[in-house]
Amino acid sequence: NAGVTQTPKFQVLKTGQSMTLQCAQDMNHNSMYWYRQDPGMGLRLIYYSASEGTTDKGEVPNGYNVSRLNKREFSLRLESAAPSQTSVYFCASSATGKSGYTFGSGTRLTVV
Amino acid sequence: AQSVTQPDIHITVSEGASLELRCNYSYGATPYLFWYVQSPGQGLQLLLKYFSGDTLVQGIKGFEAEFKRSQSSFNLRKPSVHWSDAAEYFCAVGAGTSYDKVIFGPGTSLSVIP
Repeated sequence: NAGVTQTPKFQVLKTGQSMTLQCAQDMNHNSMYWYRQDPGMGLRLIYYSASEGTTDKGEVPNGYNVSRLNKREFSLRLESAAPSQTSVYFCASSATGKSGYTFGSGTRLTVV
Repeated sequence: AQSVTQPDIHITVSEGASLELRCNYSYGATPYLFWYVQSPGQGLQLLLKYFSGDTLVQGIKGFEAEFKRSQSSFNLRKPSVHWSDAAEYFCAVGAGTSYDKVIFGPGTSLSVIP
């Protein structure tokens, strides 16, 4: 019962480098989400995908891109990392908006 | 726009004492409301959810929450706190045209004194 799997768990980047955060779910959920968590600010939605083949911007999309590769996988890409993107990133999935989310364990990203 | 406020940034209670965490929301339509818990270094786990019907909902780990439309509140309660309940608690409201986005509050950090 893997649920939502995120890789990597930790990453340090230099300013300007690029990277992709991977997320996969094995629950046959339709919707997937990327959030970032910063102290005192709760979770803020970066992008989401309500169904396979669709993606939409959330609250803080600037500096990020996403790909819904198939129903299982939803990746988040930082094209040119900035120190302001230092954060903990969470992927989540849900069957419907009413069902609540299942979260991954997070990726702690530091940009120096 | 939808929003969620949690007035208490940090709460400390003694083990065995009762607990109430406050949550207020702003949403024009009928809200879908959630409480999540995050243990240190972990992802978030769903505690309970409210959509309609009985305004008192039961969740996992002995938690319950009461929806009060007149006060736009959805407070989380537990009659007797255990040391293992020390964590960060997030209230959230379902948003979007099909409630497929969730807006999270800033969180309340709970410490438990043995």
